[in-house]
Amino acid sequence: DAGVTQSPTHLIKTRGQQVTLRCSPISGHKSVSWYQQVLGQGPQFIFQYYEKEERGRGNFPDRFSARQFPNYSSELNVNALLLGDSALYLCASSVLGDAHSNQPQHFGDGTRLSIL
Amino acid sequence: DQQVKQNSPSLSVQEGRISILNCDYTNSMFDYFLWYKKYPAEGPTFLISISSIKDKNEDGRFTVFLNKSAKHLSLHIVPSQPGDSAVYFCAASVTTSGTYKYIFGTGTRLKVLA
Repeated sequence: DAGVTQSPTHLIKTRGQQVTLRCSPISGHKSVSWYQQVLGQGPQFIFQYYEKEERGRGNFPDRFSARQFPNYSSELNVNALLLGDSALYLCASSVLGDAHSNQPQHFGDGTRLSIL
Repeated sequence: DQQVKQNSPSLSVQEGRISILNCDYTNSMFDYFLWYKKYPAEGPTFLISISSIKDKNEDGRFTVFLNKSAKHLSLHIVPSQPGDSAVYFCAASVTTSGTYKYIFGTGTRLKVLA
């Protein structure tokens, strides 16, 4: 079975531009979460979507937005890019939308975003 | 405010010996804890988890221990193998106001020496 797939794998943008990152969850998984990982840190939670609805948002500015489609794939959009947005963006999927199911989140390999 | 802390950035262990990775947390509302392993250029891979109502969970060479009174979590790998060399992240799950998210530590780089 295919795991979580993310595209593109690498991306270079300049300050002020906009970017869209894409994620396809594992088949049968209805929840998608987005994380940002900067060098030397653990992943930081950005968004969670479950059944196409936003279930949670981390401490990120409104320049960050996301959506989930009927096939459960997801996009993360970042507007007005800043140098500090340079990071690895990880997508994770899980069967359900809460921890009580004890089903762990499974991560993709991420999109490496570099801002010049 | 770092709610999940991994105070050892790196650890070296001889092949065949035990590796012990530690994690401390501050939020007593965490209800589920996980360990992930990450190789370079790959996403984190789920290893093992434990519910807050248990104190031990074992899966093959991997055992996770939870001490709720001390707010401390540890991962034991026995015996350690060179292929275990990676960065290990401790994560805690919390559900608040319908939001379900993982909070990660900063990671410990494990090097298993052949």
